[in-house]
Amino acid sequence: KAGVTQTPRYLIKTRGQQVTLSCSPISGHRSVSWYQQTPGQGLQFLFEYFSETQRNKGNFPGRFSGRQFSNSRSEMNVSTLELGDSALYLCASSLVGQETQYFGPGTRLLVL
Amino acid sequence: AQSVTQPDIHITVSEGASLELRCNYSYGATPYLFWYVQSPGQGLQLLLKYFSGDTLVQGIKGFEAEFKRSQSSFNLRKPSVHWSDAAEYFCAVGAVSPEGTYKYIFGTGTRLKVLA
Repeated sequence: KAGVTQTPRYLIKTRGQQVTLSCSPISGHRSVSWYQQTPGQGLQFLFEYFSETQRNKGNFPGRFSGRQFSNSRSEMNVSTLELGDSALYLCASSLVGQETQYFGPGTRLLVL
Repeated sequence: AQSVTQPDIHITVSEGASLELRCNYSYGATPYLFWYVQSPGQGLQLLLKYFSGDTLVQGIKGFEAEFKRSQSSFNLRKPSVHWSDAAEYFCAVGAVSPEGTYKYIFGTGTRLKVLA
């Protein structure tokens, strides 16, 4: 069974731009969670989607948003990028959400 | 408040030596417990997990962890470290928040260096 895939793997943007990251969960998994990983803050939870609905949300500004499609694929969007948004963005999937999460390789975003 | 503490930011061991990485959590009930490993530039790979039952759990790559309720700990161990084990290790807790939602809480990670 294929693992969690994330595209693109690397991205360079400039301040003020917006970006969309994509995540395809493991087949059959319906829950997708997003995390931001930085050297200073570690792994921080962004949000979780289940059955196309945001079920859980971390403490991030409204510039960070996401959605989930009927096939469970998920996208996250960051608008008006700031230098501090440079990070590794990780997506994780699980069957229904309240058990083990499996992580993708991440998308490394650099904001210049 | 729910939290996970990994007190060791960096650990250096010689190849072939034993390893123990510490993890302590704060949670009112028994949480789901996980250890993940992250190689540079990669995502997180699940090493092992504890939900209930036997408090000593075996994982991949020769790792094991022991849940100790009295100490609120879930330490990761390996009897003999290999150079390929050099990576960052994260302890995580899956718990229900005061708001009633389930979420993962990660520790800050322990970076392992292995000396040849």
